[in-house]
Amino acid sequence: DAGVIQSPRHEVTEMGQEVTLRCKPISGHDYLFWYRQTMMRGLELLIYFNNNVPIDDSGMPEDRFSAKMPNASFSTLKIQPSEPRDSAVYFCASSPMSGSQETQYFGPGTRLLVL
Amino acid sequence: DAKTTQPPSMDCAEGRAANLPCNHSTISGNEYVYWYRQIHSQGPQYIIHGLKNNETNEMASLIITEDRKSSTLILPHATLRDTAVYYCIVSSKAAGNKLTFGGGTRVLVKP
Repeated sequence: DAGVIQSPRHEVTEMGQEVTLRCKPISGHDYLFWYRQTMMRGLELLIYFNNNVPIDDSGMPEDRFSAKMPNASFSTLKIQPSEPRDSAVYFCASSPMSGSQETQYFGPGTRLLVL
Repeated sequence: DAKTTQPPSMDCAEGRAANLPCNHSTISGNEYVYWYRQIHSQGPQYIIHGLKNNETNEMASLIITEDRKSSTLILPHATLRDTAVYYCIVSSKAAGNKLTFGGGTRVLVKP
């Protein structure tokens, strides 16, 4: 199993540009999570999906951020327009669904720098 | 807000056991204790979790006090590759298995 796949691994863009981050969860996993990590705020949950449906987006910072999961094997996190304060490492994680507690498997992250 | 309290940093000698404490005095009955770690420039990695019984796997042991208000993660024989930030998290399925990461403990394993 290749694990959670994220692309791109690094992104440098200019303020005002649209940024799209991509994630492929582990096959068979029903939960998908998007996190953001900065030095100031640490690791924060932005949004998570269950069976492709957004369940909790309370962590999404503002309307400039949007996330979709069109199918079980793909999700995107979009920032439009991007701002320098969006610079961070964005992690995607997936988790299987079961009756008991399940762990999350994290991808390698996308390092975003907005100039 | 994170529901756990951990020391910000600790050092450990290579080959020795590393004992990482965590306080979670407000833990509720259906919440599990999870431990994850994050090695520099990588995504967090699951280590172990438990409800009330002590747990052991190939990576570590988890000791939970009887009142469940605190726990200790034990790395039995620390190696240099165990240098990382270790996060103690409490979560429940009722909360959608959401993980709320605090500051963690930065562990430095020294030769």
